[in-house]
Amino acid sequence: EVQLLESGGGLAQPGGSQRLSCAASGFTFTSYALNWVRQAPGKGLEWVSSISVSGTTTYYADSVKGRFTISRDNSKSTLYLQMNSLRLEDTAVYYCTKDRPVWTEGWDYDYWGQGTLVTVSS
Amino acid sequence: EIVMTQSPATLSVSPGERATLSCRASQSVNSNLAWYQQKPGQAPRLLIYGASIRATGIPARFSGSGSGTEFTLTISSLQSEDFAIYYCQQYNNWPITFGQGTRLEIK
Repeated sequence: EVQLLESGGGLAQPGGSQRLSCAASGFTFTSYALNWVRQAPGKGLEWVSSISVSGTTTYYADSVKGRFTISRDNSKSTLYLQMNSLRLEDTAVYYCTKDRPVWTEGWDYDYWGQGTLVTVSS
Repeated sequence: EIVMTQSPATLSVSPGERATLSCRASQSVNSNLAWYQQKPGQAPRLLIYGASIRATGIPARFSGSGSGTEFTLTISSLQSEDFAIYYCQQYNNWPITFGQGTRLEIK
């Protein structure tokens, strides 16, 4: 059974940092691109960032470019999102997602974690 | 950036009836379009990819159609568990973008 388990959410101050993790299991981690998608309270879905199988290619939404860094540790089957210079508008549930097809990035997402809430507030 | 526009924002339908949800892209996304269902307090679930291919385990009452800029999700006979929010997503171009969602509610 595929599982994506996010952690690291919580309360952060404006201008502060937070690191999210996503522990994956139940599939060949090294064969799939991964992503972060967020959802502000009561709002829709917003793609945040994607990372290739090898981790050498990354993509970011303009809203987070230069502030967030996506990475993966294939030896630990774990995805990360380092969030710096946090803003009030970064408050959201952050979902870890898995691309459906193997090898390439930029597709639909067949598995989602349960999400972790990041609240940016002073 | 490709803007995805869903309509209507809210759709009220009686159980057993058909629901038709629309998604329009600001430029062609070919068939690189997915539909997701989200229930309160849950993560989204993939329903349709490639505009018309049902994901694993999705009932046959869900169907998708369209290509280019106009897409439709049809639920042929609504069950109680189908009342939720539905999102379309394009993955033809970076950045990947989602529609704002259609809330399907019980009439």
